[in-house]
Amino acid sequence: QVQLQESGPGLVKPSETLSLTCTVSGASFSAYHWSWIRQSPGKELAWIGNIYYTGTTNYNPSLKSRVTISIDVSKNQFSLTLSSVTAADTAVYYCARDMGATWGQGIVVTVSS
Amino acid sequence: DIQMTQSPSSLSASVGDRVTLTCRASQGIRDSLAWYQQKPGKAPKLLLYATSRLESGVPSRFSGSGSGTHYTLTITSLQPEDFATYYCQQYYHTVLTFGPGTTVDIK
Repeated sequence: QVQLQESGPGLVKPSETLSLTCTVSGASFSAYHWSWIRQSPGKELAWIGNIYYTGTTNYNPSLKSRVTISIDVSKNQFSLTLSSVTAADTAVYYCARDMGATWGQGIVVTVSS
Repeated sequence: DIQMTQSPSSLSASVGDRVTLTCRASQGIRDSLAWYQQKPGKAPKLLLYATSRLESGVPSRFSGSGSGTHYTLTITSLQPEDFATYYCQQYYHTVLTFGPGTTVDIK
């Protein structure tokens, strides 16, 4: 079955760039959109953006100026970078297939000096 | 962006109860509505998509309905494992949005 696994640092300093990678197994990478979603402590789920295997991306307008999602089909991975982070970017970050058909377990990212 | 609201924000129920959760969109989303269940410390799990289509492996006590801007999730005969937070999500618009969630806890 499809499995997704997030990886990356759990602690990022303010003003620096957050970088996460999602490794996908058990799925045809080119058949779906691949999404990043985050959940701040005690708060709602927020869609960050997605990417198709062709490299076409869609971003949440509220984050668009700071977000880049990229894909490496040869490695079955897609990645998230979020620049100029602040404490407000502290959250659990999830990668997911399509709008959320399958999710990774999530990775906690804390923004703190 | 399409704004999603859910009601109630929380409810208390007993095992065996029938519960109905409501989700409203700020504009029509043409049945492009999904429901997720999330338990503490876990990722959300897809329950239904396209308003009423049950994801594989999800028990038939979960059902969805609605159209336009108004959608519902019904759980017939609530089971102990159903106590969780439920989120709706629209995927009609390119920018996907979630509702704030409804927490179902034990009465």
